[in-house]
Amino acid sequence: AQTVTQSQPEMSVQEAETVTLSCTYDTSENNYYLFWYKQPPSRQMILVIRQEAYKQQNATENRFSVNFQKAAKSFSLKISDSQLGDTAMYFCASKTQGGSEKLVFGKGTKLTVNP
Amino acid sequence: NAGVTQTPKFQVLKTGQSMTLQCAQDMNHEYMSWYRQDPGMGLRLIHYSVGAGITDQGEVPNGYNVSRSTTEDFPLRLLSAAPSQTSVYFCASSYSSGTGGSPQHFGDGTRLSIL
Repeated sequence: AQTVTQSQPEMSVQEAETVTLSCTYDTSENNYYLFWYKQPPSRQMILVIRQEAYKQQNATENRFSVNFQKAAKSFSLKISDSQLGDTAMYFCASKTQGGSEKLVFGKGTKLTVNP
Repeated sequence: NAGVTQTPKFQVLKTGQSMTLQCAQDMNHEYMSWYRQDPGMGLRLIHYSVGAGITDQGEVPNGYNVSRSTTEDFPLRLLSAAPSQTSVYFCASSYSSGTGGSPQHFGDGTRLSIL
């Protein structure tokens, strides 16, 4: 069974600085996908970034990038130039390849960006 | 384009009452699922469906029923509400790509309180 662990329940960062959120996972599969979702106070679940395990290159979406370490089963999210609108819960999630679309989520990290 | 629509957004029930949470998507997605979100627990999968007429249990299915008579709709039924079912419920959908890489699209959630 897949598991996803986020060891930082809460984090804070000053506006314009960089912050890294940690995520580790456990799976016996060779091919899988990893995701970071953002949940602002509005409660919406917004996809931030996606990484395919068979791709060695780290995914990047504007100010958001990941550090994917497959051997260590680590998938951290880096947010550069933090903005007040980045304040949210961030969830790491995994999904195996092969037809199952089931997402397994971590418990989340609450990020606060301070002015 | 409405995406994933959940109704109602808020609901208060008394213990023992029944109700149905509605979920509809207009993206012709094969895969649909229901999650519950509790403080400190992340999102946990209740039930999912890979297509019309096909449903299966997730991690926390007890106390909930689902059916999938059409591609568009995936209602979640609470037959006899219990205080432990107080939670925020999310419906999500995605293509069943066969590879597991399709990102899931989430509704805005239903906040359910059982008194």
